[in-house]
Amino acid sequence: ETGVTQTPRHLVMGMTNKKSLKCEQHLGHNAMYWYKQSAKKPLELMFVYNFKEQTENNSVPSRFSPECPNSSHLFLHLHTLQPEDSALYLCASSQAKQGAREKLFFGSGTQLSVL
Amino acid sequence: DAKTTQPTSMDCAEGRAANLPCNHSTISGNEYVYWYRQIHSQGPQYIIHGLKNNETNEMASLIITEDRKSSTLILPHATLRDTAVYYCIVRVETSGSRLTFGEGTQLTVNP
Repeated sequence: ETGVTQTPRHLVMGMTNKKSLKCEQHLGHNAMYWYKQSAKKPLELMFVYNFKEQTENNSVPSRFSPECPNSSHLFLHLHTLQPEDSALYLCASSQAKQGAREKLFFGSGTQLSVL
Repeated sequence: DAKTTQPTSMDCAEGRAANLPCNHSTISGNEYVYWYRQIHSQGPQYIIHGLKNNETNEMASLIITEDRKSSTLILPHATLRDTAVYYCIVRVETSGSRLTFGEGTQLTVNP
């Protein structure tokens, strides 16, 4: 148990569906992240939120829409996805403003399959 | 952030020490060395980090060479549950929240 909970663990959706991934952290952290991990590829950073404000968007397509209503919750809204978006989506949190000493705590991820 | 080079895969016998190397020859003076691991179908887990000195915690030891161009992560008594992909990452003091993962080393601990 890392203190970062992601739901659902598995999700299958069609290309015309709209779904949301949820992440909740119980660590009192103030930074949250979405990473994508496609099969046989390294983790790719998608979005970063610090104190509920989005501070990084790594050229992610608009069919992925993040939302951070407070420092404990992070959502990733999905719509009109493509089969190549099938991947493991990982949420992480950290205590920001610690520079290189900052440690990330990851959830177990949502395994997404787009049909 | 400096690039790292790790072997693609390694094997280790259960109960023996696992020594995972990492080259970071372009590391700068203000860059830390981090190690994370990812067990299959789970999120990465922080293991240890260091700047210049060797470090030890309940999970592992980190040995950094004097010139800081390479490091070794040591799992003193590997178990089957240590089978995972191990990532060596270097990160600048001022880079804030960015953590860039490479390919890592697949460590397989055999019975």
